[in-house]
Amino acid sequence: QKEVEQDPGPLSVPEGAIVSLNCTYSNSAFQYFMWYRQYSRKGPELLMYTYSSGNKEDGRFTAQVDKSSKYISLFIRDSQPSDSATYLCAMTKSGGSNYKLTFGKGTLLTVNP
Amino acid sequence: GAVVSQHPSWVICKSGTSVKIECRSLDFQATTMFWYRQFPKQSLMLMATSNEGSKATYEQGVEKDKFLINHASLTLSTLTVTSAHPEDSSFYICSARGLAGVGELFFGEGSRLTVL
Repeated sequence: QKEVEQDPGPLSVPEGAIVSLNCTYSNSAFQYFMWYRQYSRKGPELLMYTYSSGNKEDGRFTAQVDKSSKYISLFIRDSQPSDSATYLCAMTKSGGSNYKLTFGKGTLLTVNP
Repeated sequence: GAVVSQHPSWVICKSGTSVKIECRSLDFQATTMFWYRQFPKQSLMLMATSNEGSKATYEQGVEKDKFLINHASLTLSTLTVTSAHPEDSSFYICSARGLAGVGELFFGEGSRLTVL
């Protein structure tokens, strides 16, 4: 079993839809959870990060972490064509100086105008 | 916000040559930089962790002599792919970590290497 599982999609939605992206993981030691957005042929851009369980909201984006289920989600409200990208979840055990991120494969999202 | 610059953004080289990729943190000091490799439709695979002034720590399966990493200053790390072969063709991405921890890990734009 891979440490982090993420459905690669592709996921296609109409503009204005609510998008739900998620990842599952197997290592209970993970404590920091991140979501990155990666446009084609570009480096990943940090969208949100959370520590331990709970919700975090930033504009149209909401990140949820359920450590008991080892399940994290990213919700995008009022999706826009500019949200079309690959979304990568990532997680790490520690926030220390040499922490390593473990990434999901990424979900390719297309928002159609 | 913080910017991490990678250069070149794309490079084509002949088999057997060496290629150097630079990663610079433009407006913050990065004590730690990470180098990743990404194949099409695949996740980012960590190759090595680079700390300023010390030897890089390579992940299992990554050849140290093949992928030379130098982190000479708090703003610059370089990855040199030595004696490149077609199987080294990939998208290489660096990231740099600032002092704020997990929330301050920024990625470069990536460098696409094609070895003929």
